[in-house]
Amino acid sequence: TQLLEQSPQFLSIQEGENLTVYCNSSSVFSSLQWYRQEPGEGPVLLVTVVTGGEVKKLKRLTFQFGDARKDSSLHITAAQPGDTGLYLCAGARDAGNMLTFGGGTRLMVKP
Amino acid sequence: DAGVIQSPRHEVTEMGQEVTLRCKPISGHNSLFWYRQTMMRGLELLIYFNNNVPIDDSGMPEDRFSAKMPNASFSTLKIQPSEPRDSAVYFCASSLLGNRNGYTFGSGTRLTVV
Repeated sequence: TQLLEQSPQFLSIQEGENLTVYCNSSSVFSSLQWYRQEPGEGPVLLVTVVTGGEVKKLKRLTFQFGDARKDSSLHITAAQPGDTGLYLCAGARDAGNMLTFGGGTRLMVKP
Repeated sequence: DAGVIQSPRHEVTEMGQEVTLRCKPISGHNSLFWYRQTMMRGLELLIYFNNNVPIDDSGMPEDRFSAKMPNASFSTLKIQPSEPRDSAVYFCASSLLGNRNGYTFGSGTRLTVV
């Protein structure tokens, strides 16, 4: 069982559609990060959220940290083919820097 | 900075052979992580180092796996003897200490054991 559960596992949509992916846990995290991974490459950090209820925007991507710091969501507006990839959330549970990664959401945006 | 550098990018080896994966972290980063990624199990932490000292190796599958970090700019992950079930993509990542600092991942080594 993953400490961080991501849903959906797979998502295939048309260009221009909106989507939301979720990252849920029963544990409280001191911070949470989102990464995107493209084929043949390592994950790349998109954002870090640290405060319950925090919302961060990165162009068409909106990230939210749950009030209780147990969950997070990533919303993409008007998805583009370039958004295709594996989206991973990762949480830190203490002052150390060890992250636990979720299983990922594999997104495909068709032109 | 060239980022985290891993070598080789691809490795095909026969079962029973020794495999050594190499990683050069970002200069100045003081934490280094080794992960393994498969479709079935996702991204799994194998071991991590802070200031060149191994902190947690509970993710290392078994005694066939070993990792070293002789200095701040180099780490190795060795599998001896290798088995087909070790086939995966192995990632090295580095970061600054502190849980709000993101990891910088290398491009990975795709290992195939036949």
